Amino acid sequence: GAGVSQTPSNKVTEKGKYVELRCDPISGHTALYWYRQSLGQGPEFLIYFQGTGAADDSGLPNDRFFAVRPEGSVSTLKIQRTERGDSAVYLCASSWGRGNSPLHFGNGTRLTVT
Amino acid sequence: DQQVKQNSPSLSVQEGRISILNCDYTNSMFDYFLWYKKYPAEGPTFLISISSIKDKNEDGRFTVFLNKSAKHLSLHIVPSQPGDSAVYFCAATSAGGTSYGKLTFGQGTILTVHP
Repeated sequence: GAGVSQTPSNKVTEKGKYVELRCDPISGHTALYWYRQSLGQGPEFLIYFQGTGAADDSGLPNDRFFAVRPEGSVSTLKIQRTERGDSAVYLCASSWGRGNSPLHFGNGTRLTVT
Repeated sequence: DQQVKQNSPSLSVQEGRISILNCDYTNSMFDYFLWYKKYPAEGPTFLISISSIKDKNEDGRFTVFLNKSAKHLSLHIVPSQPGDSAVYFCAATSAGGTSYGKLTFGQGTILTVHP
């Protein structure tokens, strides 16, 4: 596809469950980012991949959050033992990863923890 | 600790007039600034950026102004159109770091342009 694709678009889960959120970046983009947007706030940085490795994971709130990008393309954000406070829109973005190439965002996954 | 602040939650403007959206930052390490636009149920879309070595950057109807001494930037939209109605996010980064994409966003300003 032409843009960043995120699946599912909506996810409702019960407190304590495990969830996986998927991101398909724009073909050829080497850099991939995960952000989280809570209601009424701007997106907050979670983690950044350059190729297969996590170059910066300083935004992950705690060790319940983990992300992988095993082949340098698709990425999965994994959340264990979900809590109600994890409810937010999770945004994925990709870029060429050089210079000041702008981020291209997907439409996000709206996660609701009940 | 909100390092990027957009103090106006909303702005209402008449079609054809100028829209001015403001943004303040506190981190003096920020040296690259961006504006993103977001429609409901979509991801943010890049609009315009400015490096700290400049004080103005124009792209069509959109102009961004940077006042480094005041740690303030603004986005001007002239003339405003109803299709510009969206949430506008200001974002900043330290370009000297490892990634231009590690952005710190403001809370956003909802712009409504009335026909």
